[in-house]
Amino acid sequence: DVVMTQTPVSMSVSLGGQVSISCRSSQSLVHNNGNTYLSWYIQKPSQSPQLLIYKVSNRFSGISDRFSGSGSGTDFTLKISRVEPDDLGVYYCGQGTQYPLTFGSGTKLEIK
Amino acid sequence: EVQLVESGGGLVQPGRSLKLSCLASGFTFSNYGMNWIRQAPGKGLEWVASISSSSSYIYYADTVKGRFTISRDNAKNTLYLQMTSLRSEDTALYYCATGSYFDYWGQGVMVTVSS
Repeated sequence: DVVMTQTPVSMSVSLGGQVSISCRSSQSLVHNNGNTYLSWYIQKPSQSPQLLIYKVSNRFSGISDRFSGSGSGTDFTLKISRVEPDDLGVYYCGQGTQYPLTFGSGTKLEIK
Repeated sequence: EVQLVESGGGLVQPGRSLKLSCLASGFTFSNYGMNWIRQAPGKGLEWVASISSSSSYIYYADTVKGRFTISRDNAKNTLYLQMTSLRSEDTALYYCATGSYFDYWGQGVMVTVSS
């Protein structure tokens, strides 16, 4: 199984600041078809998770350009710029390259 | 607007069965693969099962293989998860989610396995 390791476990940021969350996979996430199926999700307090980024760097419909994804192979990063109060929650990375599908353990973002 | 509404959860004794449903609207259900993902209380996300648009391809997590069955009825725009031989470790909030990237999620339905 592909193990997804997220760091940090939690972080605190000031409004207007920038954060980076790292996600590393135990195996390359490059699919045989050449695509890399790495996604990012946010789970706001008491809400269902919602998709932010898919295939490493593609923002989902309606997602602010303050969110950006990058990386390749086994190392990926989610960056959030100009942090707003609504950004607080737990961020998860997830891989869709091979079954079983797996998620990272989450990064809790708190606002200072 | 995409809507996914799960139902069928509740309190069940270990070893018993339960069937979850996810009613979809706002998109062409028959065109999309669907998924079940669960979240134990205070824990992270765990993928449970996936089914392709025409039910040709089905995948399960090892933790549920042989006990859970994912299915769908495209005429009814509904996804199902039949759960048997339930264990305490199956206690979780169960979400249905659309597509290859889990584009949209339902609000979740709670399943509690306890005697």
